[in-house]
Amino acid sequence: EVQLLESGGGLVQPGGSLRLSCVASGFSFSTYAMSWVRQGPGRGLEWVSGVSGSGGRRDYVDSVKGRFTISRDNSKNMLYLEMNVVRIEDTAKYFCARDIAVAGSAWLDPWGQGTLVTVSS
Amino acid sequence: SYDLTQPPSVSVSPGQTASITCSGDKLGDKYASWYQQKPGQSPVLVIYQDNKRPSGIPERFSGSNSGNTATLTISGTQAMDEADYYCHTWDSSTRCVFGTGTKVTVL
Repeated sequence: EVQLLESGGGLVQPGGSLRLSCVASGFSFSTYAMSWVRQGPGRGLEWVSGVSGSGGRRDYVDSVKGRFTISRDNSKNMLYLEMNVVRIEDTAKYFCARDIAVAGSAWLDPWGQGTLVTVSS
Repeated sequence: SYDLTQPPSVSVSPGQTASITCSGDKLGDKYASWYQQKPGQSPVLVIYQDNKRPSGIPERFSGSNSGNTATLTISGTQAMDEADYYCHTWDSSTRCVFGTGTKVTVL
């Protein structure tokens, strides 16, 4: 069974740092791109960042560029999101998801259960 | 940036058909996927590549995509289908984009 399990969320002060982790199982991790998607309280889904299977390509939504860093360790089936200089508006549940890309299309399946990040003083 | 717009809410009676639209510039030139999210749960893929259903998703879920609009149709809607639904697309320039989300209420 394909599974994703996030951890590392918690309460952090504005300007602080946090590292989220996601452990994958049940599939060949290194052959899939992965993404982080967040959902603020009562809000919709927002893609945050993605990384290719090799880790060589990384993309970010404009609002986190220069503050967040996505990475992966294929030897450990781990995906990470390093969050620096966090802002109140980064408060959200953060999901990791597997990217499936075929013939010019891509979708996310499955998703983890999410980890909650609260930015507050 | 690329935007996908959905109606905030759709109401449907049990057994009837619910249609959820997703509008974006030339969306029909891209592929659309759809996710169902029930309260307190993670999103679940229900449609990918415009009209394909993943294993385990009921046949009452179907999708289409043409022009500027993708549509998710739920035929014979059941109470268990009450949830938020998000459309999604991806391309090489805009990367991953989600729609604004639609709350489906089964009255």
